Amino acid sequence: EAEVAQSPRYKITEKSQAVAFWCDPISGHATLYWYRQILGQGPELLVQFQDESVVDDSQLPKDRFSAERLKGVDSTLKIQPAELGDSAMYLCASSLDPLRTDTQYFGPGTRLTVL
Amino acid sequence: AQSVSQHNHHVILSEAASLELGCNYSYGGTVNLFWYVQYPGQHLQLLLKYFSGDPLVKGIKGFEAEFIKSKFSFNLRKPSVQWSDTAEYFCAVNAKLRGNEKLTFGTGTRLTIIP
Repeated sequence: EAEVAQSPRYKITEKSQAVAFWCDPISGHATLYWYRQILGQGPELLVQFQDESVVDDSQLPKDRFSAERLKGVDSTLKIQPAELGDSAMYLCASSLDPLRTDTQYFGPGTRLTVL
Repeated sequence: AQSVSQHNHHVILSEAASLELGCNYSYGGTVNLFWYVQYPGQHLQLLLKYFSGDPLVKGIKGFEAEFIKSKFSFNLRKPSVQWSDTAEYFCAVNAKLRGNEKLTFGTGTRLTIIP
């Protein structure tokens, strides 16, 4: 069964450093999502791509976070500089086409700890 | 904006007990509803979903949920739980906003099954 791949699975960094997370969606899925899940809460959408275009980045802290999906396949989420409050699980998900109300499939996540 | 409430933060049950986890949402338009499950050390997985039709939907592993539109609820049920059901359960609502669909999660319910 096809799965969403993410790396690394764990990342420990010091504040003010730069970090990057990678996601490879299920093959053929046009839509890719990045979520942040703080301990004890549900995932919150950071950014949504349709192919290589950003559809929704209203909750992305753009002063320090950036995301790209240059060829419309895999994606990178970057934080620079990292802050203590960024410690969380970063989840990637993909779906065939949101306009068809497709189910989102989630990857295993990257757990970020900022010291 | 849509929101999702899960009233039970932590539920502890003995094996074979019946389960009902509450989920209420606030959104006046058409919604699609989901329950996701996260087993210890694993990624979020779809348990069941409601798009339209029969408001009683059946999912994997004997779970079911009932959509009650008048109550804005989508409670999850299982007649007899097993130790392997220990996990975190997230209710989510997908509503069409500005032509795009956005998935909003509740804060989750941690279920602990005692053998």
